Amino acid sequence: EDKVVQSPLSLVVHEGDTVTLNCSYEVTNFRSLLWYKQEKKAPTFLFMLTSSGIEKKSGRLSSILDKKELSSILNITATQTGDSAIYLCAVESGNTPLVFGKGTRLSVIA
Amino acid sequence: GAGVSQTPSNKVTEKGKYVELRCDPISGHTALYWYRQSLGQGPEFLIYFQGTGAADDSGLPNDRFFAVRPEGSVSTLKIQRTERGDSAVYLCASSLTPGRTDTQYFGPGTRLTVL
Repeated sequence: EDKVVQSPLSLVVHEGDTVTLNCSYEVTNFRSLLWYKQEKKAPTFLFMLTSSGIEKKSGRLSSILDKKELSSILNITATQTGDSAIYLCAVESGNTPLVFGKGTRLSVIA
Repeated sequence: GAGVSQTPSNKVTEKGKYVELRCDPISGHTALYWYRQSLGQGPEFLIYFQGTGAADDSGLPNDRFFAVRPEGSVSTLKIQRTERGDSAVYLCASSLTPGRTDTQYFGPGTRLTVL
């Protein structure tokens, strides 16, 4: 059975700190790994990482895929209170739908 | 343009009742997905439509759950004889090109509470 594990489950930091969120997976026929940000209810897409695109960056957010270690990290630098959210990792494999981890709840305090 | 919309935003019902949750995808999106997210968990896949047909319904937990998409646009998730364990946020997502999950857009969800 495909599995996605995120750590830590929750994290509290101060504004300006840098955070690293972790995602590890066990799937057959890996195709891609996705990161989403969930505030309130709707997850919003951040990054997709594949074998041909193992590093992505957008502003203060960046993500790296380590296919050897079957894991990914999401980095957020100079955190702001607006970064407070649940960050979800999901993996797509073969013809199966997305499998999500439980998420990391990030709280950034002023 | 409008995003994915879901109605109602909140639904409170009693155990044993029937409920319908509606999803209106982005216009022109052929793929539509339903997920269920319980408290403290990530979204869990329920069913995927390609056009009018259910391409994958392997995530539906039991035969009390059913979904339709008769005209290939709006979809309705139907839950019969609701149980307290059905309480969750039900998320819908749509994508223009199925299989390319970077284009999967989520709606705001329906929070279902079964008393």
